Amino acid sequence: DVKVTQSSRYLVKRTGEKVFLECVQDMDHENMFWYRQDPGLGLRLIYFSYDVKMKEKGDIPEGYSVSREKKERFSLILESASTNQTSMYLCASSWAWGGEVNGYTFGSGTRLTVV
Amino acid sequence: AQTVTQSQPEMSVQEAETVTLSCTYDTSESNYYLFWYKQPPSRQMILVIRQEAYKQQNATENRFSVNFQKAAKSFSLKISDSQLGDTAMYFCASLSRGSQGNLIFGKGTKLSVKP
Repeated sequence: DVKVTQSSRYLVKRTGEKVFLECVQDMDHENMFWYRQDPGLGLRLIYFSYDVKMKEKGDIPEGYSVSREKKERFSLILESASTNQTSMYLCASSWAWGGEVNGYTFGSGTRLTVV
Repeated sequence: AQTVTQSQPEMSVQEAETVTLSCTYDTSESNYYLFWYKQPPSRQMILVIRQEAYKQQNATENRFSVNFQKAAKSFSLKISDSQLGDTAMYFCASLSRGSQGNLIFGKGTKLSVKP
């Protein structure tokens, strides 16, 4: 079974803190993604990566950065957390050209609250 | 740009009955894929069913089937013999083949199955 593991299920951080959300997958997938999920807005793509050290902006990259130093790990970084970044964050992975065949595999999400 | 629209924010159905969730999409691509994902309260996003745009035949997976109308750009999900465990958020999504494309999600439909 493909597993995508997000390090924290719930996280509470203070405004202005630097926040790291970690995601690890164990199926040697090339592609990894970070989505943000908000009620009434669905899932919106923040950043994605096709390979180690590569990253591409998604639809809402402002206020976020990412790091992919190893193939299996994709980190989302909130440089200075703000209350409007309170949300559910979902990590996903897929084969480079197989995402359309099997879709993506998702982690179980990190619910981040910024106070 | 691709867009996916789910016009029903919430729906409910009695156990054992049939329910249809609507989804429309817009894409200029000729080669694309469509998905329905289920997100139960556990938050784990699960792939329910997928459809390849070049296939005319509607996909089915046990109690789940789709009505794919390519000309109308419609991709509805039918759940037969609804079960309590079907209670979840359902997301429609599209993915284009040609550009290592990304999954584009609708805003979701919250389905409640009532006993």
